[in-house]
Amino acid sequence: EAGVAQSPRYKIIEKRQSVAFWCNPISGHATLYWYQQILGQGPKLLIQFQNNGVVDDSQLPKDRFSAERLKGVDSTLKIQPAKLEDSAVYLCASSLGPGSNTGELFFGEGSRLTVL
Amino acid sequence: AQKITQTQPGMFVQEKEAVTLDCTYDTSDQSYGLFWYKQPSSGEMIFLIYQGSYDEQNATEGRYSLNFQKARKSANLVISASQLGDSAMYFCAMRLKTSYDKVIFGPGTSLSVIP
Repeated sequence: EAGVAQSPRYKIIEKRQSVAFWCNPISGHATLYWYQQILGQGPKLLIQFQNNGVVDDSQLPKDRFSAERLKGVDSTLKIQPAKLEDSAVYLCASSLGPGSNTGELFFGEGSRLTVL
Repeated sequence: AQKITQTQPGMFVQEKEAVTLDCTYDTSDQSYGLFWYKQPSSGEMIFLIYQGSYDEQNATEGRYSLNFQKARKSANLVISASQLGDSAMYFCAMRLKTSYDKVIFGPGTSLSVIP
């Protein structure tokens, strides 16, 4: 079974430019998460989707970050304009969703963003 | 407030010895779960073990066991017979079942296994 796919793996941009990250979760997984992991820190939840609806975006900097999950499948996270402090790895994860036994999160390989 | 605390930024353990990584959590929810994930230097996130708040037995998965003390709100990970490949970052995380399975992570503990 295919895992969580993310692209691009690496992106270097200058501040004030824009960038988009794509995630394709495991087939049948209802819940999709975007995390930001700054070097040396734990993942920070940015936004969580249940099917194609947002259920938590409390820590998403909405003035510059946006995300969507079309048709409840793949998702895109956009940053515009980027700031130096956005340099991080952006992790996408998916799970079967509420009601599943463990709710285990399956992670993609991440997208590493460097803002110069 | 819902929060995960891992007070050990870095730990060292001798190969073949056991090690305990600490995790405390804060939530007012009654239905929740605790995870441990491993993140090697390659960056992938590897699921290790899960404990539900209503599970009466402590979870075990091979060399990993979770010492769950609900009253103390702690969920420590015990790794037995450490191997060199266990050197990695370890994250404790909490699943909030009443919040659409929101999952929040702690700051992590870096484990180094010494030959």
